[in-house]
Amino acid sequence: KQEVTQIPAALSVPEGENLVLNCSFTDSAIYNLQWFRQDPGKGLTSLLLIQSSQREQTSGRLNASLDKSSGRSTLYIAASQPGDSATYLCAVMVVGAGGTSYGKLTFGQGTILTVHP
Amino acid sequence: NAGVMQNPRHLVRRRGQEARLRCSPMKGHSHVYWYRQLPEEGLKFMVYLQKENIIDESGMPKERFSAEFPKEGPSILRIQQVVRGDSAAYFCASSPSYRITEAFFGQGTRLTVV
Repeated sequence: KQEVTQIPAALSVPEGENLVLNCSFTDSAIYNLQWFRQDPGKGLTSLLLIQSSQREQTSGRLNASLDKSSGRSTLYIAASQPGDSATYLCAVMVVGAGGTSYGKLTFGQGTILTVHP
Repeated sequence: NAGVMQNPRHLVRRRGQEARLRCSPMKGHSHVYWYRQLPEEGLKFMVYLQKENIIDESGMPKERFSAEFPKEGPSILRIQQVVRGDSAAYFCASSPSYRITEAFFGQGTRLTVV
């Protein structure tokens, strides 16, 4: 059974710092890995998606890496801003029968990020 | 192209009542997934549906919960005889085909059972 763990559970940093959020998963047979952002009381916003054959993806100040063999992913946020404050969720899509998959995601518990001015 | 639409956004039910949560997928998407986020817990998969078919309901509680995705209209997650423990945020995601690579989520319905 796939399990996803995110460390740290919470992180508080001053504005401008570069930071790293960690995600680990127990079953390396994943189809892809996705990082989401969730604001309080709101839905999920997809930030980055990394296919199993990729090593990293970048979008603006965000960079996500994937090491499938070790079951790890990191989300790097450069020059953090107060607007980055949110819960960051990591989710993996598991390979199904025949090597294909569908949209069933297994989520981590999330990292609550607070960036203070 | 509107995103995944869920309604209502907030729903309050008394214990023993029924809750009906609706999800309209993105235009052109025929696959729907429901997830539940209990307080202080992560999101958990509940059920995966295609039009008129339940494909995977491995995360659905055995009793009181049901889901459908009719040929016409939104997907419905139905909870009968709600209890306090059903209070949670329920999220819907949709995808265009079986071979998807990305999940698009709605804003969620927050169910409170009083």
